[in-house]
Amino acid sequence: NAGVMQNPRHLVRRRGQEARLRCSPMKGHSHVYWYRQLPEEGLKFMVYLQKENIIDESGMPKERFSAEFPKEGPSILRIQQVVRGDSAAYFCASSPMYSDTQYFGPGTRLTVL
Amino acid sequence: GENVEQHPSTLSVQEGDSAVIKCTYSDSASNYFPWYKQELGKRPQLIIDIRSNVGEKKDQRIAVTLNKTAKHFSLHITETQPEDSAVYFCAASTGGGADGLTFGKGTHLIIQP
Repeated sequence: NAGVMQNPRHLVRRRGQEARLRCSPMKGHSHVYWYRQLPEEGLKFMVYLQKENIIDESGMPKERFSAEFPKEGPSILRIQQVVRGDSAAYFCASSPMYSDTQYFGPGTRLTVL
Repeated sequence: GENVEQHPSTLSVQEGDSAVIKCTYSDSASNYFPWYKQELGKRPQLIIDIRSNVGEKKDQRIAVTLNKTAKHFSLHITETQPEDSAVYFCAASTGGGADGLTFGKGTHLIIQP
């Protein structure tokens, strides 16, 4: 049973480009959460999605960031017009319906030049 | 929203001694409290969790205690070993898969040989 998958593992973008981060939840998991981790800091909640629905996006920056979890395929976190301050590790986690337990993927390390 | 404070930020103990990490939370509606271990460059891994209807939980050398009245919970690691060296994060949520986790800033645990 494969764990949470994320790709790419490392992503380098120049300022102004777009970054697309993908997350495939564990089999049977219907909830996806995205977190951002800055160097030497804890994880900050960004958004919580179920299939085709955004449940809670209270941690998402108001501009340039968006997330989706389509009926088919992985969840995608999109960052438009990236800036240096977007450089961080982005983790997704998944959980089964009605479960507290979140399992994390290996993360995508975004570097903005 | 929820706020989680974690102390200490760095903890150095001799191999074989015990380590205690403490967290406080602000939202009385929180009732799920997981602890994650993160090694350098790796994903956060769930090591133990506790729900508000339980005061203490043990798993081999690891235990977690919860005081709902005081809104604090602690991680206890006994007979520490070199492989326990990592960053440990506490977190809180309302549980039931209803929201994302709010994390503390982490404790860097160093096991001295």
